[in-house]
Amino acid sequence: DIQMTQSPSSLSASVGDRVTITCRASQGIRSYVNWYQQRPGEAPNLLIYTASNLKSGVPSRFSGSGSGTDFTLTINTLQPEDFATYYCQQSYGLYRTFGQGTQVDVK
Amino acid sequence: QVHLQESGPGLVKASETLSLICSVSGVSINNYYWSWVRQSAGKGLEWIGRLFSSGRIDYNASLRGRVTMSLDTSKNQFSLKLTSVTAADTATYYCVRDGGWFDPWGQGILVTVSS
Repeated sequence: DIQMTQSPSSLSASVGDRVTITCRASQGIRSYVNWYQQRPGEAPNLLIYTASNLKSGVPSRFSGSGSGTDFTLTINTLQPEDFATYYCQQSYGLYRTFGQGTQVDVK
Repeated sequence: QVHLQESGPGLVKASETLSLICSVSGVSINNYYWSWVRQSAGKGLEWIGRLFSSGRIDYNASLRGRVTMSLDTSKNQFSLKLTSVTAADTATYYCVRDGGWFDPWGQGILVTVSS
């Protein structure tokens, strides 16, 4: 299986900050990475698909980049509703796998 | 708007079979892939498997032998069965539409395995 390693596992930030989360795949996966946001008590919600495509309705402060093995999710100007856990997921391999998550909390 | 809703028992005894149904509204389940994903405190998010209306089914190798998924096109539903459950199968189970990316998600159903 393709392993997805996220870093950091948690971070503290303030409203207005720029936040960057990285995800590294155990092998090259082209651009087949997707990003999700999960708030407590809710199901994950798709933010970005195939590395850099913003899902319709998702605020433009979210962006994704990368290809091959290294991927980044960036949140520009962090908003109060962005404090949540973020996951990457690969869809290159037959078996889908997720990163372990990055919790973004209030500094 | 596509909506998914999981249903089934929230409590299953160890060694028995976990059975869940996902009801889909807003779109026909034909011509899409559908997956089950579970989330536990110990293992994070874990993909269980996916199925397509053609009959193609792929299971996570770690669960193969215990998991069965099926479609009921007449009811626009798909289902999950997981046999010989243990405490390690305690998790929130989500059904999702699988286009490579998972969207949308059901609200999830917490299934606890009791001894």
